[in-house]
Amino acid sequence: NAGVTQTPKFQVLKTGQSMTLQCAQDMNHNSMYWYRQDPGMGLRLIYYSASEGTTDKGEVPNGYNVSRLNKREFSLRLESAAPSQTSVYFCASNKWQGRTEAFFGQGTRLTVV
Amino acid sequence: AQTVTQSQPEMSVQEAETVTLSCTYDTSENNYYLFWYKQPPSRQMILVIRQEAYKQQNATENRFSVNFQKAAKSFSLKISDSQLGDTAMYFCACRYGGSQGNLIFGKGTKLSVKP
Repeated sequence: NAGVTQTPKFQVLKTGQSMTLQCAQDMNHNSMYWYRQDPGMGLRLIYYSASEGTTDKGEVPNGYNVSRLNKREFSLRLESAAPSQTSVYFCASNKWQGRTEAFFGQGTRLTVV
Repeated sequence: AQTVTQSQPEMSVQEAETVTLSCTYDTSENNYYLFWYKQPPSRQMILVIRQEAYKQQNATENRFSVNFQKAAKSFSLKISDSQLGDTAMYFCACRYGGSQGNLIFGKGTKLSVKP
């Protein structure tokens, strides 16, 4: 049971380059999320998708776009990377309602130089 | 805005002793869920314990227990018989019923267990 799978695990980009972070879950969850983690800041929500076909902005959406490709997959795109986007990115999923916790991928460490 | 506050950036404890990590939250909602996550150096986010706001009984999972004070909006984590493997970042998080399941995280507490 893979859970939540993120790719890649590490990436170095030059300022201005673009890239897409991929995320897939095999738990039949409705909701999926992208967070970024910065030192001393905890995890902050970038975008989320409450169900297939919907996406909404979180706390820090600027500079990012997302696509909910199907129920399993939720991708995060950086169109023109900036050094301020250097961070660890986590994808997560959970059931839409109820007491269930969020399940996380293993994270992507992104460095923009 | 709904917030989660962890006031202890770093803590340390001797192996086999007990330590308590603090967390407070701010919400006007009645329906919400509280979580503690552990993040070891591997970076993986691991659920430690959860608490439903409508339950008065404090949750317990083996060596981990919470002290949930709803009126004070406090949700502290107690780790008993600390082990070296408990060394990690610990994040308190709140999932509000009206927010489509979004988790709001505190900034974390770095716990070091010393031999």
